[in-house]
Amino acid sequence: SQQGEEDPQALSIQEGENATMNCSYKTSINNLQWYRQNSGRGLVHLILIRSNEREKHSGRLRVTLDTSKKSSSLLITASRAADTASYFCATNDGGGATNKLIFGTGTLLAVQP
Amino acid sequence: EPEVTQTPSHQVTQMGQEVILRCVPISNHLYFYWYRQILGQKVEFLVSFYNNEISEKSEIFDDQFSVERPDGSNFTLKIRSTKLEDSAMYFCASSAQGAGSNQPQHFGDGTRLSIL
Repeated sequence: SQQGEEDPQALSIQEGENATMNCSYKTSINNLQWYRQNSGRGLVHLILIRSNEREKHSGRLRVTLDTSKKSSSLLITASRAADTASYFCATNDGGGATNKLIFGTGTLLAVQP
Repeated sequence: EPEVTQTPSHQVTQMGQEVILRCVPISNHLYFYWYRQILGQKVEFLVSFYNNEISEKSEIFDDQFSVERPDGSNFTLKIRSTKLEDSAMYFCASSAQGAGSNQPQHFGDGTRLSIL
């Protein structure tokens, strides 16, 4: 089984619409982080949600975490063409013994102007 | 805003050659990482480094790989004898604190390594 699976794999929406991406994971976690990657570029950290948090907001981003279902969602409201990118969730395992992040497969978001 | 910088942005190397990828982490960060992303695949953890030693490594990080912090600002990844399958984007990352601290990792733009 794989840690960190996002769905959908690809999402195409119109500018102004909301975009929702989901992430599922397998093990217990310390935190879950969402990153954005523009084509050919590095990973930009968007938001971190701790295992004891259920929802977090940052600007147009809203992240939820359901540890009972081992899932998270990223909502981007009022999307813009500049939001076009791949979005990845990454988990840091529970127990505090490891720093490594385990990344999901990503959702490719295309926002049409 | 401080950022992680990586050089070169693109490295082309003949199979069997040694390659060194360089990174300058954010200056007050203490934990450093390398990840790689083979084209079309997930980002994979390679190694974490703290207090001048490897704190964790993945099964990918075999004897061909090594890391070093030679001078207190640079953090390097060396591949001793490159193979075709080492072709990937290599990302350096750093964080202020380590496991259990819930601090984000900040990534550089990556080095695209192409092995011919």
